[in-house]
Amino acid sequence: AQSVTQLGSHVSVSEGALVLLRCNYSSSVPPYLFWYVQYPNQGLQLLLKYTTGATLVKGINGFEAEFKKSETSFHLTKPSAHMSDAAEYFCAVSENSGNTPLVFGKGTRLSVIA
Amino acid sequence: SQTIHQWPATLVQPVGSPLSLECTVEGTSNPNLYWYRQAAGRGLQLLFYSVGIGQISSEVPQNLSASRPQDRQFILSSKKLLLSDSGFYLCASGPGQGVSYNSPLHFGNGTRLTVT
Repeated sequence: AQSVTQLGSHVSVSEGALVLLRCNYSSSVPPYLFWYVQYPNQGLQLLLKYTTGATLVKGINGFEAEFKKSETSFHLTKPSAHMSDAAEYFCAVSENSGNTPLVFGKGTRLSVIA
Repeated sequence: SQTIHQWPATLVQPVGSPLSLECTVEGTSNPNLYWYRQAAGRGLQLLFYSVGIGQISSEVPQNLSASRPQDRQFILSSKKLLLSDSGFYLCASGPGQGVSYNSPLHFGNGTRLTVT
């Protein structure tokens, strides 16, 4: 069975500082991996996804994530935080075959301090 | 592109009252549809998903039920609400059967339900 662990329910960074949100997954087959962002009282928006190929994936708003199979990780990074990045971020995994729903992590709330 | 419509945006209901939340999808056909609940500090909990009309899979036994009367309509219901049903309910649409799962889910803007 798949699972996702997001380390840290709340991360706080200063504006302009590096953003690092951690995600580790468990999957018995090669996974598809996703990061979603949720702004207050809204649904989730896709930030980026990894399916196959290049392990460093670039997404919207300057975010990127690197798939590391040996570490079963898919950490999200952004070189310089902006106030508008304050939101909740969810990592998710799905199997690359079959008909199983996405499994989400519990989310990490990112605060950006001016 | 896909659009997910959810209504109402907010709802306050007394304990023991019924519930009906509706979700409709535009811009796709034969999607898989999902209901998630988000409670504070608990992430996204998958409640139900559907791979077709009349086909519902329940992930968590509880006070809620779901129905899919049309291809792009998904309804979440309860006969008698409990306090623990409070939360933020999200409808999502994803690729249907036979379509690769590297396509992302699209989410509606959610319904915030408060049971008093």
